[in-house]
Amino acid sequence: DTEVTQTPKHLVMGMTNKKSLKCEQHMGHRAMYWYKQKAKKPPELMFVYSYEKLSINESVPSRFSPECPNSSLLNLHLHALQPEDSALYLCASSQQGITGGGQETQYFGPGTRLLVL
Amino acid sequence: AQKVTQAQTEISVVEKEDVTLDCVYETRDTTYYLFWYKQPPSGELVFLIRRNSFDEQNEISGRYSWNFQKSTSSFNFTITASQVVDSAVYFCALSDPDSWGKLQFGAGTQVVVTP
Repeated sequence: DTEVTQTPKHLVMGMTNKKSLKCEQHMGHRAMYWYKQKAKKPPELMFVYSYEKLSINESVPSRFSPECPNSSLLNLHLHALQPEDSALYLCASSQQGITGGGQETQYFGPGTRLLVL
Repeated sequence: AQKVTQAQTEISVVEKEDVTLDCVYETRDTTYYLFWYKQPPSGELVFLIRRNSFDEQNEISGRYSWNFQKSTSSFNFTITASQVVDSAVYFCALSDPDSWGKLQFGAGTQVVVTP
């Protein structure tokens, strides 16, 4: 089973709202990723958690706050977003992440389409 | 530094035609890994294949085939007898042991298959 689930599928929020995106995997993977994808562009890496520790933060603004409560679950807390943050947010998981030597396959969820008004 | 180039922005074909997607990569490492992902309109990136730099064998999986040529730093993907369900954006990606698990994606190629 190579399933990564994400909720919600769609989210509309105002610039003063606080919301959270959720991602879950049950493949026993120890690395989880958040990506942001704008229309007609490839995904851009935001964060990597490896063994429940934040390993990579690609200089993401603090209005995005990731959280990894356990190795199966990854959240992205959103606060005071801007309209330019509207995008598809993808979660992925892999076996080990930064200790995997680059050979790991990342498995992606269906994404959350976020619209900031 | 790593770089992946997918020069074809969009390819339109009629059903049952073959379509080849080009991927050219740059890396200084001798060990690296190449991937292809499919992204249908629903949004999910679907993993198609991983190839490591030491395995130059071409691969076929049903109507999909991949041609890996280290001499030209290319990892091209062919869909034989295309179907409407093949309509999607296809991404080629690269990683290596120094990339800390990060994937370097190409810009993607939109494939449109019309009946």
